[in-house]
Amino acid sequence: NAGVTQTPKFRVLKTGQSMTLLCAQDMNHEYMYWYRQDPGMGLRLIHYSVGEGTTAKGEVPDGYNVSRLKKQNFLLGLESAAPSQTSVYFCASSGHSTNEKLFFGSGTQLSVL
Amino acid sequence: QQQVKQSPQSLIVQKGGISIINCAYENTAFDYFPWYQQFPGKGPALLIAIRPDVSEKKEGRFTISFNKSAKQFSLHIMDSQPGDSATYFCAASILGNQGGKLIFGQGTELSVKP
Repeated sequence: NAGVTQTPKFRVLKTGQSMTLLCAQDMNHEYMYWYRQDPGMGLRLIHYSVGEGTTAKGEVPDGYNVSRLKKQNFLLGLESAAPSQTSVYFCASSGHSTNEKLFFGSGTQLSVL
Repeated sequence: QQQVKQSPQSLIVQKGGISIINCAYENTAFDYFPWYQQFPGKGPALLIAIRPDVSEKKEGRFTISFNKSAKQFSLHIMDSQPGDSATYFCAASILGNQGGKLIFGQGTELSVKP
């Protein structure tokens, strides 16, 4: 039972490079989220989706874009990476609006030099 | 704007002791307060949650105490064990708020010494 799978697990980028983080869930969840985790800051919501074809901004959306073309996948893109985007990124999913339990992936550690 | 404030940032407890982590929130519309546990290299996982219609919820050695008037809630870990060493996050949200967006606290790194 895979749950929420994130790829890649580690990545190093140079400033200005672009990349896409992939999140896949096999639980048929409607809601998907991207968080970033930084020391002393907790987890901050970047973008989220309430269903296939929908996306919305979270607390810290600047510099990121997302797409939800298929229900099971949620992509996070960095068009022009900056050192401030060095972080650990977590994808999560949940079943529906009244079920607040989030299922998290194991994270992607991204360093931007 | 940090709407959920968590303390302490780190905590060291002896095996068998009580670990206490505190959180305070600002938005009185919040009506769901979970705690997540995260082990190194893993994503957070739901540990226990409470809604404001009760003042306490207990699951095994883990208890949430909730004080609505003070807008505070806390996690108590009784008989703390080395296996409880992890980072703990409190969070808050508004049930039914589309997408169930959780606002997390800053996290507490707990170390339980044998």
